[in-house]
Amino acid sequence: NAGVMQNPRHLVRRRGQEARLRCSPMKGHSHVYWYRQLPEEGLKFMVYLQKENIIDESGMPKERFSAEFPKEGPSILRIQQVVRGDSAAYFCASSPSTGVLSGNTIYFGEGSWLTVV
Amino acid sequence: TQLLEQSPQFLSIQEGENLTVYCNSSSVFSSLQWYRQEPGEGPVLLVTVVTGGEVKKLKRLTFQFGDARKDSSLHITAAQPGDTGLYLCAGVMDAGNMLTFGGGTRLMVKP
Repeated sequence: NAGVMQNPRHLVRRRGQEARLRCSPMKGHSHVYWYRQLPEEGLKFMVYLQKENIIDESGMPKERFSAEFPKEGPSILRIQQVVRGDSAAYFCASSPSTGVLSGNTIYFGEGSWLTVV
Repeated sequence: TQLLEQSPQFLSIQEGENLTVYCNSSSVFSSLQWYRQEPGEGPVLLVTVVTGGEVKKLKRLTFQFGDARKDSSLHITAAQPGDTGLYLCAGVMDAGNMLTFGGGTRLMVKP
C-alpha cells in the first residue's frame, strides 16, 4: 500500500481555483487508476491510464476534469475551476503491466483529500 | 443503483459477537476483492477470490465467493474493537479492466 505515493495528502482550494493531484505508482507498475470517494461512501471509478494513454475515462466528469500519465513522471489528476461538490478524497491505485483483469492485485495510495472552500 | 450492493451499510456490535457482511450483484465478476479502510487512509486489500464457491480464511475472517461469481460474503468471528472500519467489496467484471466498488459497510465494534 505504501508503494503508491500520492501528494499532496491534503489540499485546500477556493472555488474557481485549480487542483492538481499527483500519483507515483509502485515501481514497475504501468497501469494507474483514479477513484473518488465522497464522505461515507464507497470509491467511484474515474479514469484508467497506461503510460501516455487514457484507456477508460468513463467515470470522469466531461468538464473541468482531466488526467494524464506521461512517459516520465507521475500521473496527474487536474480539476479546473473547482466547486464545493469536488470536495472528496481522491485515491490513486496501480497494478502491473497486465492490469487487474489478469488477476493482478491493485494497490492503493493513501489518498489526497481536497477541500473546496 | 450500485453495481455491487453491500449490506448492511452500518453495523454496531459488541466485542465477541459474530457478523456477516454481504456483497451482491446481478453481474458476473472474474474476481472479487475485499478491502478494509480506516479514516484518513487508503483501502487495504484483505483478500481476492477468483473461483466460484471459493472460501478463504484469514484468521477470524472468512470470505466466500458465490458459485455463480455474482456475490460474496465476509464473516467475522468474535469481533474485536480493532476490526472497526469501513469494509469494501470490489469486483472486476469479465469484460473490464478496473475495479468496481460497493458502497461499503461501516463496522463499529464496541469493547
